[in-house]
Amino acid sequence: EAQVTQNPRYLITVTGKKLTVTCSQNMNHEYMSWYRQDPGLGLRQIYYSMNVEVTDKGDVPEGYKVSRKEKRNFPLILESPSPNQTSLYFCASSYLGMTETQYFGPGTRLLVL
Amino acid sequence: AQSVTQLDSQVPVFEEAPVELRCNYSSSVSVYLFWYVQYPNQGLQLLLKYLSGSTLVKGINGFEAEFNKSQTSFHLRKPSVHISDTAEYFCAVSASRGGSQGNLIFGKGTKLSVKP
Repeated sequence: EAQVTQNPRYLITVTGKKLTVTCSQNMNHEYMSWYRQDPGLGLRQIYYSMNVEVTDKGDVPEGYKVSRKEKRNFPLILESPSPNQTSLYFCASSYLGMTETQYFGPGTRLLVL
Repeated sequence: AQSVTQLDSQVPVFEEAPVELRCNYSSSVSVYLFWYVQYPNQGLQLLLKYLSGSTLVKGINGFEAEFNKSQTSFHLRKPSVHISDTAEYFCAVSASRGGSQGNLIFGKGTKLSVKP
């Protein structure tokens, strides 16, 4: 089954404790992206990647890191999480080109205390 | 840079009534436009997209949208809604060319609530 998976789905952590949210897709998509969703703000793009070893900042990259060492994986790293990073995070992937449909993962709900 | 404004944060409507969810965008370059739907506790799913050509775009679940370049709008419509259409709807825009092609900008969302 074609899908985007995220792990973990729910995470409670404390300020400053490094964490990684994994994202994996099995559709051989070149493009992958991370978004955060906050009430009243919609989705905002954090980082995106056009292919392996190619990443670029979205609209809200501060406090986040990404890497794209393999085509199927695009982990989101929070080196020193803060409470303002409490949010719902979505990973998405697609074939290259914005004409292509993005497929979204189920989301990761993060609470930073 | 692009931006998207969804004019209504919440739209309540009765079952079988028509609905229109409004979306306006701003961009200095040509754009692609999208509508996504998010059902409760789920990820987003593409409803429809405008890339070029015909300004009336038909999507899944009976939804359609019309691209109006002069009014920079991309409103979503359905002639008769069902309870199952209750969800949050997001309009999104991306540049069709240029360095920001990978950057997808979403509106803040419109919560559609269909009442029996």
